[in-house]
Amino acid sequence: VQLHESGPGLVKPSQTLSLTCTVSGGSTNSGDFYWSWIRQPPGKGLEWIGYIYYSGSTYYTPSLRNRVTISVDTSRNQFSLNLTSVTAADTAVYYCARSVIRTNHFDYWGQGTLVTVSS
Amino acid sequence: EIVLTQSPGTLSLSPGERATLSCRASQNVLSTYVAWYQQKPGQAPRLLIYGASSRATGIPDRFSGSGSGTDFTLTISRLEPEDFAVYYCQQYGSSPRWTFGQGTKVEIK
Repeated sequence: VQLHESGPGLVKPSQTLSLTCTVSGGSTNSGDFYWSWIRQPPGKGLEWIGYIYYSGSTYYTPSLRNRVTISVDTSRNQFSLNLTSVTAADTAVYYCARSVIRTNHFDYWGQGTLVTVSS
Repeated sequence: EIVLTQSPGTLSLSPGERATLSCRASQNVLSTYVAWYQQKPGQAPRLLIYGASSRATGIPDRFSGSGSGTDFTLTISRLEPEDFAVYYCQQYGSSPRWTFGQGTKVEIK
């Protein structure tokens, strides 16, 4: 299983950050996994953003809930992140990751993509 | 929200020594939902331990996890040069579902 993030590395303040995660070797159409986005500001720890299930159901961390949307395209084996009204505080490495439903650990991660919010 | 506090912040040890990393939760956590990750500079986190004590595929047996309730431990029995990294604990529970500790850096003394 491999996950790969793609999207712009630079976003202007107040605009929308959009990233896509492409999954290979596994299926986003499986009921055994959640598909999550996690971020890590430079030099800091990990923050879980939200997940999507193959059915399309989602759950977001409360602090970002009013700005985040995660969607899935099972036909392309991709899931995506949209984060609106970004500020410099949203500058981070963004990871996509798969979690196993029964134990809820993240067993596969993308390599991460740095998104910088700056004018 | 369940807060995970890792200690120490930095652990300075020599290769061959034993490393003991602590993760304390602000509320009881189901052991099934506790995991540990290793992260090296410029890399994504790598799963080491899940279910508090089960090693992930391909993880050497010098890594072990233990604990229950609010106190969990990651032990590296004999540090190898490639083990110097940052380690994070993680729990799954009620909102915001997944949280991570702030990390423990294991550095070469």
